[in-house]
Amino acid sequence: GAGVSQSPSNKVTEKGKDVELRCDPISGHTALYWYRQSLGQGLEFLIYFQGNSAPDKSGLPSDRFSAERTGGSVSTLTIQRTQQEDSAVYLCASSLMGLPTDTQYFGPGTRLTVL
Amino acid sequence: AQSVTQPDIHITVSEGASLELRCNYSYGATPYLFWYVQSPGQGLQLLLKYFSGDTLVQGIKGFEAEFKRSQSSFNLRKPSVHWSDAAEYFCAVGDKSNFGNEKLTFGTGTRLTIIP
Repeated sequence: GAGVSQSPSNKVTEKGKDVELRCDPISGHTALYWYRQSLGQGLEFLIYFQGNSAPDKSGLPSDRFSAERTGGSVSTLTIQRTQQEDSAVYLCASSLMGLPTDTQYFGPGTRLTVL
Repeated sequence: AQSVTQPDIHITVSEGASLELRCNYSYGATPYLFWYVQSPGQGLQLLLKYFSGDTLVQGIKGFEAEFKRSQSSFNLRKPSVHWSDAAEYFCAVGDKSNFGNEKLTFGTGTRLTIIP
């Protein structure tokens, strides 16, 4: 598989629990993005990684959200003390170098439901 | 800040008919513009993109889009739709952030239904 993969595909959790969402980017892509797709908000940017660094965290909605990337590859988005408003589809994308001319390739997403 | 407006939430067309999905953007400089398609249960797939040059851009699956600076528009067109085109379509504008990376600002999407 040469595309972006995400796991789990679906996650149901109870309010107040922590969740971890995983993203495997396309091999060789140094840039990695997390977006959130929710009703009423559309698709919104969360965070950008270049290698293992996250120079742009401007879209993270609160300090309950964090993300890391290791080995310049896999990334994990962690949501602590989940709230019902966190319910959404979380999409990961990767691109070759993060340049404007680089296409962002998206994974299938993780659907998070907070009860 | 940049923004993208897709005025049509839902469009229904007959199979074989022509299609135009509207997209308007707000951006201070020459924008980078994209159209993505999302089929049920699938991730976003890039249909086409515009950076500069020829304002009529050809994409995959027989789609094209035209950049009109005077109208701040980047409408997506297809001369004859197929049932497999039923999906959600997103217009996006790319922006270089203060951190040097590219990030996309999306419209709210247009859901396309095809009737036989």
